[in-house]
Amino acid sequence: KAGVTQTPRYLIKTRGQQVTLSCSPISGHRSVSWYQQTPGQGLQFLFEYFSETQRNKGNFPGRFSGRQFSNSRSEMNVSTLELGDSALYLCASSLAPSGGASETQYFGPGTRLLVL
Amino acid sequence: AQSVAQPEDQVNVAEGNPLTVKCTYSVSGNPYLFWYVQYPNRGLQFLLKYITGDNLVKGSYGFEAEFNKSQTSFHLKKPSALVSDSALYFCAVRDYGNNRLAFGKGNQVVVIP
Repeated sequence: KAGVTQTPRYLIKTRGQQVTLSCSPISGHRSVSWYQQTPGQGLQFLFEYFSETQRNKGNFPGRFSGRQFSNSRSEMNVSTLELGDSALYLCASSLAPSGGASETQYFGPGTRLLVL
Repeated sequence: AQSVAQPEDQVNVAEGNPLTVKCTYSVSGNPYLFWYVQYPNRGLQFLLKYITGDNLVKGSYGFEAEFNKSQTSFHLKKPSALVSDSALYFCAVRDYGNNRLAFGKGNQVVVIP
């Protein structure tokens, strides 16, 4: 099976712009989670989607949003970019969502976003 | 809320020697524990997990981890380290009913030839 894919792999934006990142989960996986990785804060949970519904949300401002499509593909959007949004954004997929806490999340290669 | 501590920033080990990466956790219920490895400019790669049962869990690439409930630890081990094991290692924990993973800060492992 193909792994989790994320596009684009690299992105450069300027402050105030918005950006959309895409994630395609492993075939058959219906849960998609997003994480932000920075040197200072480490890995932080953004949100989780299952069946096109947001099931869980981390402590990020409303500028960070996401959605999931009927084919389980997911996008996340960051509006009004700030310098501090520069990070590696990782998507992870699993078979089951909340309640299936033993499920393994498999990560994509990430999208590296640089905000200038 | 669940949390994980990885007390060491960097672990240096000679090739062929045993490798141990430490992790302690805090959860309100039964823990679901995971180890991931990250190579430069790559995503996280799953190594192993503890759900229930045997306290010694075997995973990919010769890695294993020992769950210790009384010490709330889940240390990652490899009997004989390889130079290719040099990477960033993350421990993570998840509560039942909550699908978000809480990660430790990560440990840089450097295997010296």
